[in-house]
Amino acid sequence: QSVLTQPPSVSGAPGQRVTISCTGSSSNIGAGYDVHWYQQLPGTAPKLLVYGNINRPSGVPDRFSDSKSDTSASLAITGLQAEDEADYYCQSYDSSLSGYVFGTGTKVTVL
Amino acid sequence: QVQLVQSGAEVKEPGSSVKVSCKVSGGISSSYTITWVRQGPGQGLEWMGRIIPIIGTPNYAQTFQGRVTISADTSTSTAYMELSSLRSEDTAVYYCARVTGKGMDVWGQGTTVTVSS
Repeated sequence: QSVLTQPPSVSGAPGQRVTISCTGSSSNIGAGYDVHWYQQLPGTAPKLLVYGNINRPSGVPDRFSDSKSDTSASLAITGLQAEDEADYYCQSYDSSLSGYVFGTGTKVTVL
Repeated sequence: QVQLVQSGAEVKEPGSSVKVSCKVSGGISSSYTITWVRQGPGQGLEWMGRIIPIIGTPNYAQTFQGRVTISADTSTSTAYMELSSLRSEDTAVYYCARVTGKGMDVWGQGTTVTVSS
């Protein structure tokens, strides 16, 4: 089971800003491990969206940004576009489990 | 640019094993890890384990301990994930991914494994 909790869904109109939370604990996010975010379009493999602290791979627009505080992290999407409709996952490392952990996933719907 | 190319879809009977391969174009390096993640139908991502190919020592998620074997052949730049004692709940898409300091930055295309009698 996932140890990082995300809301099942978020939605917004085109142009709006939406945020996705990722709640962990003292053995993962709270321990200072990096949080990474992935976007998964229907029927495709996940794609790295944001890594570490506000770092984006080449080609990812700056509409995507993240933040981290205590045992939680958040992904923000500004200027929401139809192409942003996808599933989003956070990911970190957990020292108690000695391995990587994923969030439960959030489906973003563009109204 | 590094690419990960996985083997094709598999259909297996309950109780059998499946071995999925992941070829790293551009060669295997000591600077990264290869990890395996699966996704059941309509489900989220589940981490299975990882290996640093050059070193060869794997690390498995507790959920899969005793049932999964991850290995790597540096001569062919290929990583493998073998899952045994298959049951219907193992029906999923299995992904390999490269892990660097930037997270899982390159993913394979996925391999569908169907467990059915």
